Amino acid sequence: DAKTTQPPSMDCAEGRAANLPCNHSTISGNEYVYWYRQIHSQGPQYIIHGLKNNETNEMASLIITEDRKSSTLILPHATLRDTAVYYCIVRPLGSSNTGKLIFGQGTTLQVKP
Amino acid sequence: EAGVAQSPRYKIIEKRQSVAFWCNPISGHATLYWYQQILGQGPKLLIQFQNNGVVDDSQLPKDRFSAERLKGVDSTLKIQPAKLEDSAVYLCASSSRKNEQFFGPGTRLTVL
Repeated sequence: DAKTTQPPSMDCAEGRAANLPCNHSTISGNEYVYWYRQIHSQGPQYIIHGLKNNETNEMASLIITEDRKSSTLILPHATLRDTAVYYCIVRPLGSSNTGKLIFGQGTTLQVKP
Repeated sequence: EAGVAQSPRYKIIEKRQSVAFWCNPISGHATLYWYQQILGQGPKLLIQFQNNGVVDDSQLPKDRFSAERLKGVDSTLKIQPAKLEDSAVYLCASSSRKNEQFFGPGTRLTVL
């Protein structure tokens, strides 16, 4: 079973920041928080991941609380093309580098004009 | 860099027939995954290969599903015989040592 809890759906106005929350209260010390998204009729796409520090890349920012029990994915200026299902996943990173992804239901983000 | 390739993109079969899906991962990626995604749900891992060896097939219905990855590159997933509940999108993904998984477009299977 997925170890994360996300709201089933959210709306966001085009051009505004989209803030997607995720609860992972049972996360272990060696588990990372990953975010993927899935645009309709496509395979999931990696967005970002982090352990305990905030992370930023060209797609998004990831804010992880100090106790690591929750996180927020931020899309700073949402566009219509960001409409997708967003998955928050926790997974361990071991020496084998083969940790599988356990997907939950995700959050359906609808960006509106 | 070419992405993960899958074929066919769509397949319609009748129950009890057999079907096969093909995946060509990103060049150099040692790890290959097959996921099943039922409508309205997140993807579920069926099998994971490291080079040509199986790492995890705990969720693979082995009485009807089989997969192979000959020579550690391309992979084939087969269902024989298919059931109605096998209707889903079958996603292939690959990864390198960086852990980020790259997914293909998937094969949408409809079992009638």
